[in-house]
Amino acid sequence: DIQMTQSPSSVSASVGDRVTITCRASQYISTWLAWYQQKPGKPPKFLISAASSLQSGVPSRFRGSGSGTDFTLTITGLQPEDFATYYCQQGNSFPLTFGGGTRVEI
Amino acid sequence: EVQIFQSGGGLIQPGGSLRLSCGGSGYTFRKISMNWVRQVPGKGLEWVAVISGHGRATEYADSVKGRFTASRDNSKNTVYLHMSSLRTDDTGVYYCVREEPQGHRYGMDVWGQGTTVTVSS
Repeated sequence: DIQMTQSPSSVSASVGDRVTITCRASQYISTWLAWYQQKPGKPPKFLISAASSLQSGVPSRFRGSGSGTDFTLTITGLQPEDFATYYCQQGNSFPLTFGGGTRVEI
Repeated sequence: EVQIFQSGGGLIQPGGSLRLSCGGSGYTFRKISMNWVRQVPGKGLEWVAVISGHGRATEYADSVKGRFTASRDNSKNTVYLHMSSLRTDDTGVYYCVREEPQGHRYGMDVWGQGTTVTVSS
C-alpha cells in the first residue's frame, strides 16, 4: 500500500498569511494526487485533482504542485473561510490512501 | 447539479450486519464509480471500497475485505455497502463519494452528507 505523509499536522496562521502543506508518497505516484478541505461536521470538499488542477469554483489562492513523491498545497492570502483541515489522497493505485491531515488554525 | 444522498447507519452490536444506501442524481449514474470513505470522529479519512459504474468490479481496503460488500442497482440509481461481522473499530461516519468522471486517478469529486455507524454492545 502507498503511505501518504502530510506535514505539518497542524499550523497556526493569520488572515493574509501564506500557508504551505506538504504531502509525501511512499512510492512514485506521478501526478495522481488530490487535495480536499474539510470543516468540522461537514464532508470533505474536493479542491484539486491531478496534483495541480483546481476544481471549478475553488479560489485561485489555492495552488497545488508536485509530482513523483513530493507534493505541496499552498494557500496564498489566507481567508477566514480557509481555516479547516486539509487532506491529500493518492489515486495511483488501490487501496486509495489519504494523508493524516493538516489542520490550519488561527 | 450533481447530488449524493445517503441513508442507513445506526447503532449495531459487534458481530452484527448493516446496510448503507447511497443515491445519486444530476448525472448518468451507471457510468461512474462510487466509493465509500469512512472517518472516525476527530480522526482522518480512510478509503473503504469502490464499485465500478456497471457494478462488475470492486476493490476493498484490507481492513474490510471479506466483511463488507459494495453493490449497486443502476435501475434505482443506488449504491449499497453491506457490512457484516462488524467490529467496534468500524465505528465512524461513512461517506458515499462519487469518483471523478475521468477516473479514480483524479480523485473523488462529490461527497454525500455522511451517515454514522456505531458498533457497540
